[in-house]
Amino acid sequence: AQTVTQSQPEMSVQEAETVTLSCTYDTSESDYYLFWYKQPPSRQMILVIRQEAYKQQNATENRFSVNFQKAAKSFSLKISDSQLGDAAMYFCAYSIRRGANSKLTFGKGITLSVRP
Amino acid sequence: DAGVTQSPTHLIKTRGQQVTLRCSPKSGHDTVSWYQQALGQGPQFIFQYYEEEERQRGNFPDRFSGHQFPNYSSELNVNALLLGDSALYLCASSSETGTNQETQYFGPGTRLLVL
Repeated sequence: AQTVTQSQPEMSVQEAETVTLSCTYDTSESDYYLFWYKQPPSRQMILVIRQEAYKQQNATENRFSVNFQKAAKSFSLKISDSQLGDAAMYFCAYSIRRGANSKLTFGKGITLSVRP
Repeated sequence: DAGVTQSPTHLIKTRGQQVTLRCSPKSGHDTVSWYQQALGQGPQFIFQYYEEEERQRGNFPDRFSGHQFPNYSSELNVNALLLGDSALYLCASSSETGTNQETQYFGPGTRLLVL
């Protein structure tokens, strides 16, 4: 069974600084997807970034980038120039490549606070 | 472009009652997945509907059932409610065709409290 582990329950960052959120996963599959979702206190789950396992290039989306280490089964999220609006719970999630078995498996999440 | 919508936003029920939650997928999406999120935890997969059939199911009892309609909207039904069913219920939609097939987009959720 696939598992996703987020071992840091909480992190804090100063506004305008950079922070890295860690995630590891376990799977026997070779073709899969990884995601980071953000859930602000208003609770709407928002997609931040996604990574296809077959792509070696790390995904980037504006201030958000990932460090994908397939052999180590590690998938960390880097937030640059942190803003107050980045404060939220962040979830790492895994999905097998599209098909009849495409459920998302989530980690427990990490609460990120941003200090002004 | 309307996103995923869910109703109601909040619901209070008592033990033993039954509840129905509703979800309308994002425009152009045909697949709906349901997740249960306990307070302070990550979402847990309940089941997924495609072409009006349950395609995949997580580790949830038969008290949890669902339905998908021809317009792709979906309902989640929970019978014989238990205190432990209190949670945020999230609906997510995705598309079997086109780009980004693997990406699920979430609605705002329904907060269920069982007393």
